Amino acid sequence: KAGVTQTPRYLIKTRGQQVTLSCSPISGHRSVSWYQQTPGQGLQFLFEYFSETQRNKGNFPGRFSGRQFSNSRSEMNVSTLELGDSALYLCASSFRSSPGTDTQYFGPGTRLTVL
Amino acid sequence: EDQVTQSPEALRLQEGESSSLNCSYTVSGLRGLFWYRQDPGKGPEFLFTLYSAGEEKEKERLKATLTKKESFLHITAPKPEDSATYLCAVQPQPNFGNEKLTFGTGTRLTIIP
Repeated sequence: KAGVTQTPRYLIKTRGQQVTLSCSPISGHRSVSWYQQTPGQGLQFLFEYFSETQRNKGNFPGRFSGRQFSNSRSEMNVSTLELGDSALYLCASSFRSSPGTDTQYFGPGTRLTVL
Repeated sequence: EDQVTQSPEALRLQEGESSSLNCSYTVSGLRGLFWYRQDPGKGPEFLFTLYSAGEEKEKERLKATLTKKESFLHITAPKPEDSATYLCAVQPQPNFGNEKLTFGTGTRLTIIP
């Protein structure tokens, strides 16, 4: 079974630009979560989507947004990039239909560098 | 607010030297505690899920245990390939849909040949 895939793997942007990251979950998984990982803060939850609806949201500014499509693929968008947005962005998917199916499986991440 | 504290931050062991990593947590009601392994530049790799105090799970040289306030990841006779950062995360009981994972900052484990 193919794992979680994320594209692109690496991105370099400049301040003020916007960026869109893509995530394809494991086949059959309906929940997709996004995390930001930095050396200082560790893994911080951004948001979760389930059946095209945002279920949870972390404490990030409105510049961070996302969506999920009917095939469960998800995108996240960051507008007006700041230097502090440089991080590894991780996507995780889970089946999420009942207790015991909540394990989240992570993709390889997208390394975003903002110059 | 849910909190996860992992200790030590870094641990260096000789090959074959067994030890334990600690994960202390506070959560309103625990739905699950998760252990992941992360290699540099890669996404976290799932290791274990624990659901209730007293539960134990094993995989090769790793064994995870859970109490009401903490979890331990025991590593027995480690090998250099066990070197990685080990992450612990908790998920609270469903509360108006707020079931996000809260992660600790990890323990960076180095096994010296």
